[in-house]
Amino acid sequence: GAVVSQHPSWVICKSGTSVKIECRSLDFQATTMFWYRQFPKQSLMLMATSNEGSKATYEQGVEKDKFLINHASLTLSTLTVTSAHPEDSSFYICSARDARGARPDTQYFGPGTRLTVL
Amino acid sequence: QKEVEQNSGPLSVPEGAIASLNCTYSDRGSQSFFWYRQYSGKSPELIMFIYSNGDKEDGRFTAQLNKASQYVSLLIRDSQPSDSATYLCAGGYNNNDMRFGAGTRLTVKP
Repeated sequence: GAVVSQHPSWVICKSGTSVKIECRSLDFQATTMFWYRQFPKQSLMLMATSNEGSKATYEQGVEKDKFLINHASLTLSTLTVTSAHPEDSSFYICSARDARGARPDTQYFGPGTRLTVL
Repeated sequence: QKEVEQNSGPLSVPEGAIASLNCTYSDRGSQSFFWYRQYSGKSPELIMFIYSNGDKEDGRFTAQLNKASQYVSLLIRDSQPSDSATYLCAGGYNNNDMRFGAGTRLTVKP
C-alpha cells in the first residue's frame, strides 16, 4: 500500500518552455501533497505544501508564479515549471500523506522526475 | 525554527558490522520521527517510524528515540553493501510540517 507515482520520470526541454509533472497516489487518498527539489549531492528542499482543494503554501524563496501547483483531487497534484531555465534543472520529488489514514503524519514519496533544461 | 541535524558523513563500516546513524532535533514539539533511505538518483523510501521513547526493532533495523535528550538514532545490524545509501532523518509535527535532516551517507565495504 501507499504507492505514489510520478510522471514523467525524466524530461529534457528547451529553455523558456513549461513543463508539467504529475504526482498520483495510487491506493490512498492524499489529503496533503508535498513538492521537493533536490540538486546533486544536496539534501531535499521542500518547495511547497498543498492540501486538496486549497492553494499551495510555498516555502520562502520559492516563486509561486514560476512553480504552479494544482491539487484538484485527492489523488492528483501537478507541478508546472513555467518558462524553465537551466538553473531549474533538478530532481523533483513529490510526496503524499493521508491525514485520515492509519499513519496520518507519514509521507510517502514518488519516484521523482529528473528535469534537464537545455 | 524547527531543525533536524545529522552528521553528513560519510560513514564507512565493514560488511557485517553495526552501522549507527544519529540525528538531533531542536523542537520539543516534534511528535514523530522517521528514517528514510535514499539510493543515489532515487527518491527516499521509508524504513521506519517511531513515536515513543525507547527502541523499535524491525529486522536488522532498530530505531531509538530519546525525547529528553532530543535525539533519534538508527542502528543497522549485520550491515550489507546493499545498505550503502544516504539515510534521512525527519521529524514530524501535528500540522503538515515535517523537517528533514541533510542526510548521512553510509558506505558498507565488502
